Amino acid sequence: DAGVIQSPRHEVTEMGQEVTLRCKPISGHDYLFWYRQTMMRGLELLIYFNNNVPIDDSGMPEDRFSAKMPNASFSTLKIQPSEPRDSAVYFCASSSGWTGDGSPLHFGNGTRLTVT
Amino acid sequence: AQSVTQLDSHVSVSEGTPVLLRCNYSSSYSPSLFWYVQHPNKGLQLLLKYTSAATLVKGINGFEAEFKKSETSFHLTKPSAHMSDAAEYFCVVSRGYSTLTFGKGTMLLVSP
Repeated sequence: DAGVIQSPRHEVTEMGQEVTLRCKPISGHDYLFWYRQTMMRGLELLIYFNNNVPIDDSGMPEDRFSAKMPNASFSTLKIQPSEPRDSAVYFCASSSGWTGDGSPLHFGNGTRLTVT
Repeated sequence: AQSVTQLDSHVSVSEGTPVLLRCNYSSSYSPSLFWYVQHPNKGLQLLLKYTSAATLVKGINGFEAEFKKSETSFHLTKPSAHMSDAAEYFCVVSRGYSTLTFGKGTMLLVSP
């Protein structure tokens, strides 16, 4: 199993540009999560999907952020326009069941975003 | 509401000595508890999990954790630290329909 695959690993962009982060979850996993990690705030849940449907996007910072999951094997997180405060490591994770029942998350290696 | 507190932001040990990373949780009902490890420039990896079965849980790489309901604790231990254990460790709680709540992490430093 290849695990959760994220691309790109690193992204450097200028303020105002559009950024798209990509994720391929583990095959057969019904849940997909997007997290953001910073030194100041730690790990923050941005949004999660169940069977490709967004369930909770209350963690999405503002309208500049959007996420889609067009099919079971692909999701994107888009920031438009990007700002320096968006600089962080963005993680995608998937799970085969609900975490409240004990199903663990499987994380990708993250995308390190730097907005100058 | 649920929360998790990792009592130490940094723990330093010498190679070959025991490791203790402390975690206290708050949850109205029986939670699921996890420990994850994050090595530099990597995603988080599951070390072990507790889901109301045996209170002593064994994980990968020789780590284990004991669920103590009376103390609302889920401390992570390892008898003998290895240099490769140097990483950041996260205690995580989940219950029912709530998503995971992550602790702020404990950085484990291992010296030769």
